[in-house]
Amino acid sequence: GQSLEQPSEVTAVEGAIVQINCTYQTSGFYGLSWYQQHDGGAPTFLSYNGLDGLEETGRFSSFLSRSDSYGYLLLQELQMKDSASYFCAVRYGNKLVFGAGTILRVKS
Amino acid sequence: KAGVTQTPRYLIKTRGQQVTLSCSPISGHRSVSWYQQTPGQGLQFLFEYFSETQRNKGNFPGRFSGRQFSNSRSEMNVSTLELGDSALYLCASSLEIPGQGNTGELFFGEGSRLTVL
Repeated sequence: GQSLEQPSEVTAVEGAIVQINCTYQTSGFYGLSWYQQHDGGAPTFLSYNGLDGLEETGRFSSFLSRSDSYGYLLLQELQMKDSASYFCAVRYGNKLVFGAGTILRVKS
Repeated sequence: KAGVTQTPRYLIKTRGQQVTLSCSPISGHRSVSWYQQTPGQGLQFLFEYFSETQRNKGNFPGRFSGRQFSNSRSEMNVSTLELGDSALYLCASSLEIPGQGNTGELFFGEGSRLTVL
């Protein structure tokens, strides 16, 4: 089947840097996306990696290594408002498959 | 531009009943997909529609069905509800066309929270 693995929970302090990893199965892989979801809110798109390397968008960066079937989301200068769930998602053909999500808790 | 609208936002049903959830995508978006979200399970893919055609279906029993109308609005139906169907049902729309170098950028609605008693 098509499954993704990411840590269930990560805790960090304000101002710190945190990395959320995601590993996936390779069959039919097209690209890796990241979504953020605050409690009670809708998931919102953060980034996409179709090719190996780093994509940067402000304080957030996302990385992909297709040879390692691995990617990560890097959040810098953490703020309290970054406390949320983060999901990696892989497109297999026409289907987008999500990981179970990582709860990020930012402490002051 | 209005976002993805889902109705109803909250509903309570009893076992054995059926439910229909509605989704209005962002104007111009022709792809609509549905996901079930339960605590600790992430988002489980239900189905995806493009131009009124179901393009993909997830691993859910036949009690879960959906359709898309010519205006891209979509509905999903769950028949013979079970306690385990209690979840947040999320609809997402996209500009992307199946099979054409898509980035996985979906725009989600706030969801319909279904409680089955």
